[in-house]
Amino acid sequence: EPEVTQTPSHQVTQMGQEVILRCVPISNHLYFYWYRQILGQKVEFLVSFYNNEISEKSEIFDDQFSVERPDGSNFTLKIRSTKLEDSAMYFCASKSKGGGEKLFFGSGTQLSVL
Amino acid sequence: GENVEQHPSTLSVQEGDSAVIKCTYSDSASNYFPWYKQELGKRPQLIIDIRSNVGEKKDQRIAVTLNKTAKHFSLHITETQPEDSAVYFCAASMASGTYKYIFGTGTRLKVLA
Repeated sequence: EPEVTQTPSHQVTQMGQEVILRCVPISNHLYFYWYRQILGQKVEFLVSFYNNEISEKSEIFDDQFSVERPDGSNFTLKIRSTKLEDSAMYFCASKSKGGGEKLFFGSGTQLSVL
Repeated sequence: GENVEQHPSTLSVQEGDSAVIKCTYSDSASNYFPWYKQELGKRPQLIIDIRSNVGEKKDQRIAVTLNKTAKHFSLHITETQPEDSAVYFCAASMASGTYKYIFGTGTRLKVLA
């Protein structure tokens, strides 16, 4: 079965630094998402992206966050100036246009902000 | 706002017994309800889903029931096995717009051998 891939699997950064989390969605998918999961908590919606623009974002997704689809295969999440509370597992997900409602999740990037 | 409540937060059962996890959603426009299993350090994996035009769906040892009026849906696992031990998340979504999922808070299921 095709998979969403995410890199890196672990990222350690200093507070205030910029990080870019990378995702390669499944090739024929058109809807892209970022979710985060703080340790021991639920998976939270950050942002959805369709047709080269953000279609919806949550309150968590403030001006420190941005997403980009720089080419036909990658989907990135940038955190401009990381805070301690940004430490979490970040999941990318994608969905096809005609494939119903099923989201396919990547294996996640564990971000640790020190 | 949109919210999904999930209970219990932890559940321990003896191998062979059944496990039931319950969720309640707030947005009456939700019409798609997936359940995900997440093993430690791994991605959430879809195990079963149900759409609002169906009241129950079964796949081998796993079943999901939906009560649209009460905005409740439940996951039932029968004949539990140690490999069923994981964290289970319910979610609610609308089959339109952004298709985003709102997840429940998770249930850590332990199946004791």
